[in-house]
Amino acid sequence: DAGITQSPRYKITETGRQVTLMCHQTWSHSYMFWYRQDLGHGLRLIYYSAAADITDKGEVPDGYVVSRSKTENFPLTLESATRSQTSVYFCASSEASPLGTQYFGPGTRLLVL
Amino acid sequence: GQQVMQIPQYQHVQEGEDFTTYCNSSTTLSNIQWYKQRPGGHPVFLIQLVKSGEVKKQKRLTFQFGEAKKNSSLHITATQTTDVGTYFCAGKSDTGNQFYFGTGTSLTVIP
Repeated sequence: DAGITQSPRYKITETGRQVTLMCHQTWSHSYMFWYRQDLGHGLRLIYYSAAADITDKGEVPDGYVVSRSKTENFPLTLESATRSQTSVYFCASSEASPLGTQYFGPGTRLLVL
Repeated sequence: GQQVMQIPQYQHVQEGEDFTTYCNSSTTLSNIQWYKQRPGGHPVFLIQLVKSGEVKKQKRLTFQFGEAKKNSSLHITATQTTDVGTYFCAGKSDTGNQFYFGTGTSLTVIP
């Protein structure tokens, strides 16, 4: 039972490059989320998805794009990476509604040079 | 901006001492959840509170949801080194669909 996985676990890129972070869950949870974690800010929601083909902006969506063509996958793309996007990115899923327990992936540490 | 604030940001305690972290929201919450993140790890769900004034216990951990559903607390009795980590509260506003995580409280337990 893989649960929720993220890839890559670590990524170094340069300013201006496009980067895609992958998230895959095996539970068929309806809801999926992307957060970024920065010191002093806790976890901030970037985007979330209530179901396949339904996505919505979170607190800090600028500079990010998401898609959800299949229930189990929720990739996050940084279209043109900036240094301010250096962070730890967590994907999470939830069975039912936003009120449900969120299960987090192991995270992707992204460094933008 | 941030709608859910947590205090303190950092807390160092001697092993065996008690610890409390407080979570405050600017708006009424539908629910409050608590998560624990070990150093280098990912957040792990601890508990959810839904009712006004609700109190729940998990062994040495006591969770409370305020009467107005705008604040919550997590109290750990007689801390152990295994309690080390960052504790986050998270809540969904009564209006809207978004979850907001608190800024977290980092707990260090000195043996």
